[in-house]
Amino acid sequence: NAGVTQTPKFQVLKTGQSMTLQCAQDMNHEYMSWYRQDPGMGLRLIHYSVGAGITDQGEVPNGYNVSRSTTEDFPLRLLSAAPSQTSVYFCASSYSIPRGELFFGEGSRLTVL
Amino acid sequence: GNSVTQMEGPVTLSEEAFLTINCTYTATGYPSLFWYVQYPGEGLQLLLKATKADDKGSNKGFEATYRKETTSFHLEKGSVQVSDSAVYFCALRKGYSGAGSYQLTFGKGTKLSVIP
Repeated sequence: NAGVTQTPKFQVLKTGQSMTLQCAQDMNHEYMSWYRQDPGMGLRLIHYSVGAGITDQGEVPNGYNVSRSTTEDFPLRLLSAAPSQTSVYFCASSYSIPRGELFFGEGSRLTVL
Repeated sequence: GNSVTQMEGPVTLSEEAFLTINCTYTATGYPSLFWYVQYPGEGLQLLLKATKADDKGSNKGFEATYRKETTSFHLEKGSVQVSDSAVYFCALRKGYSGAGSYQLTFGKGTKLSVIP
């Protein structure tokens, strides 16, 4: 019953550092996505993928890169972290595009100093 | 563009009280509407949904009716429990085709605390 697994759960970076947030799902879902959650802002879509090799931008894509080489994995890369990227990041997947329920991971809390 | 507005929190209720969390939306066409719940330290979980006008979504004693005339999708529960303490998010998905169908637009969330 792994579902959507995100790592790491917590991370502290310095401005300018790079890192990758990992997301893996074991439900054979075609659709995967990354959201960020900020106080008073709700969740906002960063990037999404409708299948291996296919990605697209969401509402707030700047400063983030993604790739989808397998159905299971959808990593989110921060190339040069900025304090404005301090947030909680959620990966979510769905079995059906676009009607299916979104299944969320437990989140990754990132602090950029 | 699409937007979701939900009532500001936090909301504090006594156990067995009646709960209403208001949600209104702005969208063209016929969006699908959702309520998600986030328990402390966890990701979001789908609570209920409605895909067309006058549909009622229900789950775990919670209900919400898709009202197109008032562009609303208010969440209600007749008798809350301590275990209902969580953050509740209203969300919409624009439709079943096109780029908008891949994106959920979320409200800011309403934190509910239920005290014994």
